[in-house]
Amino acid sequence: EAGVAQSPRYKIIEKRQSVAFWCNPISGHATLYWYQQILGQGPKLLIQFQNNGVVDDSQLPKDRFSAERLKGVDSTLKIQPAKLEDSAVYLCASSYYNLPGLAGGETQYFGPGTRLLVL
Amino acid sequence: AQSVTQLDSHVSVSEGTPVLLRCNYSSSYSPSLFWYVQHPNKGLQLLLKYTSAATLVKGINGFEAEFKKSETSFHLTKPSAHMSDAAEYFCVVSGEDSSYKLIFGSGTRLLVRP
Repeated sequence: EAGVAQSPRYKIIEKRQSVAFWCNPISGHATLYWYQQILGQGPKLLIQFQNNGVVDDSQLPKDRFSAERLKGVDSTLKIQPAKLEDSAVYLCASSYYNLPGLAGGETQYFGPGTRLLVL
Repeated sequence: AQSVTQLDSHVSVSEGTPVLLRCNYSSSYSPSLFWYVQHPNKGLQLLLKYTSAATLVKGINGFEAEFKKSETSFHLTKPSAHMSDAAEYFCVVSGEDSSYKLIFGSGTRLLVRP
């Protein structure tokens, strides 16, 4: 079974530039997540999609970050304009489905991440 | 609000000796808890998860964790460390709202000495 794919793996940009990341989840997984992992910290959820609808984007800085999941499969995360503090690894994850009865027990599968450096 | 605290930012053990990575959680409800491992330049991999079944959970690569509600702990253990265990380990709790988002601890870096 193919895992979660992400591209690019590395990106270096200057502040105020824009950047986009792409994620292709595991086939058949309805739920897709974007996380931000700053050096020395645990990942923090930015946005969660269920199919092509947003479930949670409460921690997404909406003045500069945007994400979409057209057709409920792959997804893009965009930053425009980038700031120095956006330097981080951006992780994409997917899970089969979030069933309320499981109380969050669904396993999330993570991609290798995109390492972003903003100069 | 839910949270996890990993009590050690770094743990160093000798190869062949036991591993103990400590985690305490805070949750209003019976939580789902996970341990993930992150090797350098690789994605996060699930080691094990607790979802209100058996309190002693066995995972991959010989790791196990015990859920102790009275102590609000979910410590990760392994009887004998291997060099390949050197990595960053994250204790994770599942959120209680409808998104069930994962809330990560700050991580424990495990160093294994030869």
